[in-house]
Amino acid sequence: KAGVTQTPRYLIKTRGQQVTLSCSPISGHRSVSWYQQTPGQGLQFLFEYFSETQRNKGNFPGRFSGRQFSNSRSEMNVSTLELGDSALYLCASSLASGGARTGELFFGEGSRLTVL
Amino acid sequence: AQKITQTQPGMFVQEKEAVTLDCTYDTSDPSYGLFWYKQPSSGEMIFLIYQGSYDQQNATEGRYSLNFQKARKSANLVISASQLGDSAMYFCAMRGALYGGSQGNLIFGKGTKLSVKP
Repeated sequence: KAGVTQTPRYLIKTRGQQVTLSCSPISGHRSVSWYQQTPGQGLQFLFEYFSETQRNKGNFPGRFSGRQFSNSRSEMNVSTLELGDSALYLCASSLASGGARTGELFFGEGSRLTVL
Repeated sequence: AQKITQTQPGMFVQEKEAVTLDCTYDTSDPSYGLFWYKQPSSGEMIFLIYQGSYDQQNATEGRYSLNFQKARKSANLVISASQLGDSAMYFCAMRGALYGGSQGNLIFGKGTKLSVKP
């Protein structure tokens, strides 16, 4: 079955602009999470959505937001871009069956954002 | 607070040999899950193996095995018979039970870059 699909794969923006990234999870997966990966900070959790509701949120400013649609597809938005927002943004989906013992995350290939 | 430590920034291994990638973790949760992911240069994170904190046996998935030592809070990944395609970044991660039904919040280590030599 198709994996997690992220679009666009690459994009370049300038400071002050905003960007929207899209993620289509694996069919049947209801949980979508977003991560930011940078050389300095590594992989950091942004937020998680389940059934169109934000279920968990990482420690990022309010410029970072997201949403999930009824078909489980998710978008994340970054407003007023800063140079430090340059990163690989990874989306992951899971079945979300609950508990710490279950449910590996399946990741997409990411969207690489460069802010000039 | 939960934390994952990977102390090896980079490692080399000869093709067909075994290699161990180190991971230690810190958590006060009685129930937690430990994961290893591989990230090739394409960027995608590929799930390799999972170990639950209450699992009695070490997890194995093909050439991958997890050396889980709960008392020492270590979860080392062992790759047997290394292949050139194993060259990639490897990340250890943990999910805790504190987040209830939340599935998506994994805490990652900084990663180890593995290079397989022919």
